[in-house]
Amino acid sequence: NAGVTQTPKFQVLKTGQSMTLQCAQDMNHEYMSWYRQDPGMGLRLIHYSVGAGITDQGEVPNGYNVSRSTTEDFPLRLLSAAPSQTSVYFCASSALRAEDTQYFGPGTRLTVL
Amino acid sequence: AQSVTQPDIHITVSEGASLELRCNYSYGATPYLFWYVQSPGQGLQLLLKYFSGDTLVQGIKGFEAEFKRSQSSFNLRKPSVHWSDAAEYFCAVGAGGGADGLTFGKGTHLIIQP
Repeated sequence: NAGVTQTPKFQVLKTGQSMTLQCAQDMNHEYMSWYRQDPGMGLRLIHYSVGAGITDQGEVPNGYNVSRSTTEDFPLRLLSAAPSQTSVYFCASSALRAEDTQYFGPGTRLTVL
Repeated sequence: AQSVTQPDIHITVSEGASLELRCNYSYGATPYLFWYVQSPGQGLQLLLKYFSGDTLVQGIKGFEAEFKRSQSSFNLRKPSVHWSDAAEYFCAVGAGGGADGLTFGKGTHLIIQP
């Protein structure tokens, strides 16, 4: 199993550009989520999904869109990048029980100039 | 809303010494508690978790944590640290798979002195 994979590893954007961060998991997990990590802030939840076709907002959703057309994939879209979105982005997946472990991808480091 | 406090931003420990990283949480119901470790440039790896039963939980790499409901704490311990333990440690609380996801503390950066 590859676990949770994310692409790209690094990305530099100019303000106003759009892009999609890819996330895929091969563990048949129903739950997937996106976090951003900023220095001194820990990780904050952006969006999450409890299954194909179902998404919802987390703590910091503004400026980001998500969709979940398959169980395996959960892309994160930035429609018009802003410098405030410079961060490290982590995708995670888990089964749906409360005690289930969330498995994290290796992260995408995004810089918006 | 749930919250997690990790009071120590940085901790420096000598190799071979014992370690305790503090974590306090706020959660209305019985919490599900996790400790994750992040090595430089890497993703997060689960060290251990608590959701019921024995309040002393054992994890990987020789770590353990004790859940103390009366103190709303879930401190991480290791009897003897190794240089490879230098990393960022995150405590998290959550319901798992639900609207709250995981709420993370801001992390404790562990430095190991030779």
